[in-house]
Amino acid sequence: EDKVVQSPLSLVVHEGDTVTLNCSYEVTNFRSLLWYKQEKKAPTFLFMLTSSGIEKKSGRLSSILDKKELFSILNITATQTGDSAVYLCAVGLNYGGSQGNLIFGKGTKLSVKP
Amino acid sequence: DTEVTQTPKHLVMGMTNKKSLKCEQHMGHRAMYWYKQKAKKPPELMFVYSYEKLSINESVPSRFSPECPNSSLLNLHLHALQPEDSALYLCASSRNPRDRAHRDLYNEQFFGPGTRLTVL
Repeated sequence: EDKVVQSPLSLVVHEGDTVTLNCSYEVTNFRSLLWYKQEKKAPTFLFMLTSSGIEKKSGRLSSILDKKELFSILNITATQTGDSAVYLCAVGLNYGGSQGNLIFGKGTKLSVKP
Repeated sequence: DTEVTQTPKHLVMGMTNKKSLKCEQHMGHRAMYWYKQKAKKPPELMFVYSYEKLSINESVPSRFSPECPNSSLLNLHLHALQPEDSALYLCASSRNPRDRAHRDLYNEQFFGPGTRLTVL
């Protein structure tokens, strides 16, 4: 059975801290790994990773994928209270019978205290 | 236009009511999705439409009936729902893998703001 596991499930830090969120996966037909940020409503797209070892960066956020060890990390440096959210990891499958299917992890709830 | 819109934002309905949720995107995406998300849980896939045809139905009860009238619109018709169907309903869209120029992007799903549904 395909699964995506995120850790930790929740995390409380103070502004300015650096955090690392983890996502490991076991799926057949892996195509890509995606990170989303969800505050009160819809998940907001952050990154999609398809190649191993290539870091993607957007401001204070960065992410990297290891396809050999089947995991990804999301780093947030100099955290701000606005980073408080649930961070969802999802694995996208190859086109075919599971077209469009994203397998979501349970999410990591990040709380950043002032 | 790079967003997915959904209406209504909130919906309260009784178990005998019939209502519809609407989703719209103008990004030229040809794959559209309905997800259900319960509190503190990740989104669960319900339906996938590809080129206006239903391609995945994740064993969803028949009281949920999807419809894709054209490439920009996706509806979810609701009838005789149960209180346990109360949830956030999310619509998403992505490029279709038949779009060879952007084949690697078809997993990149963009979500709408959702409809918060309460069934009394």
